[in-house]
Amino acid sequence: GENVEQHPSTLSVQEGDSAVIKCTYSDSASNYFPWYKQELGKRPQLIIDIRSNVGEKKDQRIAVTLNKTAKHFSLHITETQPEDSAVYFCAAPKGTGRRALTFGSGTRLQVQP
Amino acid sequence: DVKVTQSSRYLVKRTGEKVFLECVQDMDHENMFWYRQDPGLGLRLIYFSYDVKMKEKGDIPEGYSVSREKKERFSLILESASTNQTSMYLCASSSMGLGETQYFGPGTRLLVL
Repeated sequence: GENVEQHPSTLSVQEGDSAVIKCTYSDSASNYFPWYKQELGKRPQLIIDIRSNVGEKKDQRIAVTLNKTAKHFSLHITETQPEDSAVYFCAAPKGTGRRALTFGSGTRLQVQP
Repeated sequence: DVKVTQSSRYLVKRTGEKVFLECVQDMDHENMFWYRQDPGLGLRLIYFSYDVKMKEKGDIPEGYSVSREKKERFSLILESASTNQTSMYLCASSSMGLGETQYFGPGTRLLVL
């Protein structure tokens, strides 16, 4: 089955700096890669996703890049703000019809004001 | 607005008790999922269901079972609770198809004494 590894486990940046979180996956047939954000005490929520027919997708200050050959994808947050502080999870599809997701172990991002 | 609710926010049970965790969604979603969340381990899939009475094992099904008698409701059952099942349990739902957003419930924090 699909295996997703995520690095780093913790990341501390100064407000205004950029943050990058990286994930690798094992199943070369995987074709959809979402990122979820979980603020303290709240439920995870989708922030951005990418499909395997594109190499990069942007949404304001966040972007995701995909390298299918190397089987890795990354989340990039520019001009970080304190409200970006949260745990971020990457994921890849699995199971019958690829309806389920395998999540990475999470990255705790702390943005220092 | 998608709503996923879980029957309890906090639960304390004794070792050996049978425990039921319930999840209800109001968006007519085909897919429903149960995860457990532990520090440093991310979100691990226990079971999921893509239709009424259908279920599929996730990554850590041992010690758990599930029931989906109605489309909107997905139950997680701990037949005989053990202390290593102390965790945060998150339910999620999504509509059919690849790349559909998973919407999470608020979570149930279970303590097994």
